[in-house]
Amino acid sequence: GAVVSQHPSRVICKSGTSVKIECRSLDFQATTMFWYRQFPKQSLMLMATSNEGSKATYEQGVEKDKFLINHASLTLSTLTVTSAHPEDSSFYICSVLTSGGKPSEQYFGPGTRLTVT
Amino acid sequence: KQEVTQIPAALSVPEGENLVLNCSFTDSAIYNLQWFRQDPGKGLTSLLLIQSSQREQTSGRLNASLDKSSGRSTLYIAASQPGDSATYLCATGANSKLTFGKGITLSVRP
Repeated sequence: GAVVSQHPSRVICKSGTSVKIECRSLDFQATTMFWYRQFPKQSLMLMATSNEGSKATYEQGVEKDKFLINHASLTLSTLTVTSAHPEDSSFYICSVLTSGGKPSEQYFGPGTRLTVT
Repeated sequence: KQEVTQIPAALSVPEGENLVLNCSFTDSAIYNLQWFRQDPGKGLTSLLLIQSSQREQTSGRLNASLDKSSGRSTLYIAASQPGDSATYLCATGANSKLTFGKGITLSVRP
C-alpha cells in the first residue's frame, strides 16, 4: 500500500491565525487525496476531495474559503485552516486514493492534532 | 445518504477469546467495504477491503465478511491478544468516497 505522511503531527495556534497542514504521498503518485476531520469519539467526516492540478471538491457544509486546499503535485496536498477558531480544534487526517489495476483503496496519514486557543 | 452504524461502541474481552465486531449500513449500493484499525491519537491502518462482489476476506487472525443484501459486515478476530486493543472502524465505499462508522473501541485484557 501507499505510505502517507503528515506534517505537523501536532499544532497549537491562537484564535484568528492560519495553519497549514501538509499531506505527502511518499511512494505513490496520487491524483486524488482526501481530507477528513475527526472529533473525539466521532466518525471521520470527509471534508473535501483534493484533485491534482484542479480545484478541490468540498462536501456540503464545509466552507471552502475557510479550509483552503492546494494539490500542486502528485505527492503533496496542503490544507490551510484560515482564521482558525477554537471550534476548528480537531484531528485532521488525509488519505491517498490508489488504483492502477488493483481495487481502489485509501491509505491514511498519521493525522494532525490541531488545537486552537 | 449512507449511514454506517457500529454497535456496541466499546467492548472488553479476556485474552484468547474469539470475537466478532459488527457493522451495518443503510445503502447497499456500495463498491466496497473496508475495515480499519485506529490506535489512540493515530491515523488509520487498513485491515481488510472487501469488494462488493466478494463475500469475505482473510488476513492472518482476521476475517471480514460482507452481506450487501442485509447491509451488514462482520470482522472476526481469532484468539484475541492485548495488542489487538484499538478502535476498529468500518467504512463503505462508493464513488471512491468512504463513509465511516464511529468505531468500536476494543480492549483485550491480559
